[in-house]
Amino acid sequence: GAGVSQSPRYKVAKRGQDVALRCDPISGHVSLFWYQQALGQGPEFLTYFQNEAQLDKSGLPSDRFFAERPEGSVSTLKIQRTQQEDSAVYLCASSPTGTVNTGELFFGEGSRLTVL
Amino acid sequence: GQQLNQSPQSMFIQEGEDVSMNCTSSSIFNTWLWYKQDPGEGPVLLIALYKAGELTSNGRLTAQFGITRKDSFLNISASIPSDVGIYFCAGRRSSNYKLTFGKGTLLTVNP
Repeated sequence: GAGVSQSPRYKVAKRGQDVALRCDPISGHVSLFWYQQALGQGPEFLTYFQNEAQLDKSGLPSDRFFAERPEGSVSTLKIQRTQQEDSAVYLCASSPTGTVNTGELFFGEGSRLTVL
Repeated sequence: GQQLNQSPQSMFIQEGEDVSMNCTSSSIFNTWLWYKQDPGEGPVLLIALYKAGELTSNGRLTAQFGITRKDSFLNISASIPSDVGIYFCAGRRSSNYKLTFGKGTLLTVNP
């Protein structure tokens, strides 16, 4: 597709379950970001990849959160032993070479995670 | 985490009216951006500003990068129903690729 694609769009998990959220960036985009958006808030930075290298994971809330992009394209955000405070929309964004430094990101529709 | 101070939180206006919203920060940003988010969608970039004092337009939208580099505003002229949504400001520091977002302004336009 032409845009950033995320799946699943909606995920309901019981507390303690593991979840995996997938992001397909725009083809050829070098940079990939994950953001977390709580209800009524703006997105908050989680982690950043340049190709397959995870250059910054300082925004990941705890060691239960793990992200990977093994072939420099598709990325997966994994959350282990989910807690209720993990409920949020998880947004993936990508940018081509040269625009990451301008902040011009292309966002996916997000994956809404609800932890019961 | 840190978020920018964005105001107002929400606005209810009549179609055809002009709208103004702003964003302030206690620290300097070198890039200011304005995004719009529709329900169930990801944010979409509206305007990007790269120089202090810069005034940029995109159709009915006009945004300014404050001279102190600690604030920005967005104006929408002659609002239409499809302007409804949440508007976010975002800032970026020169040495960093991360965006810091405001909490958003919810805009409702009554036809």
